Amino acid sequence: GQNIDQPTEMTATEGAIVQINCTYQTSGFNGLFWYQQHAGEAPTFLSYNVLDGLEEKGRFSSFLSRSKGYSYLLLKELQMKDSASYLCAVAGGYQKVTFGTGTKLQVIP
Amino acid sequence: DTGVSQDPRHKITKRGQNVTFRCDPISEHNRLYWYRQTLGQGPEFLTYFQNEAQLEKSRLLSDRFSAERPKGSFSTLEIQRTEQGDSAMYLCASRPEPGQANTDTQYFGPGTRLTVL
Repeated sequence: GQNIDQPTEMTATEGAIVQINCTYQTSGFNGLFWYQQHAGEAPTFLSYNVLDGLEEKGRFSSFLSRSKGYSYLLLKELQMKDSASYLCAVAGGYQKVTFGTGTKLQVIP
Repeated sequence: DTGVSQDPRHKITKRGQNVTFRCDPISEHNRLYWYRQTLGQGPEFLTYFQNEAQLEKSRLLSDRFSAERPKGSFSTLEIQRTEQGDSAMYLCASRPEPGQANTDTQYFGPGTRLTVL
């Protein structure tokens, strides 16, 4: 089975940096996704890590350590519009993707 | 590319009624997923299609749930004898076939919000 853990809520200040952690225990692993979801909207893709290391995309970076079952999403230069839920999801055996419960990030002025 | 569309966007029904939702994936995507999401939770996998074949189905999907993708394009999800616990957002996502650009990305539709009274 799959078990994915991430903090329920986080608060950060506009302009700051925030790191959202995700740990996972899975029976199979093909890659790890991060999605952003604003309230009442569908998730939108942010990143996909297959190999260990850090991948940077503008203000967002994602890190993966397969040996530790650990990933984080790093958001820099926070903006108010970054207030959303951030979902960690693991692509396991075959085509199944298992999502965590999400981390609700609130950006304050 | 018009994105993934779902219909209806909202559905209110009485307990015991049957409902059917439709998903139109991005046209060149051969892989299609259905998820269910309740408030404060992440999407929960329901089923997966590759072209018209239903290749994976969650054990959480009871016999009251059925999904089809008859021609490998749009898909339908039917819930029979709805229960109040079925109230949720039902999300559809599509994904390009292996070897295509962005093959690892799932593109989500806007969802159908079901309320069972």
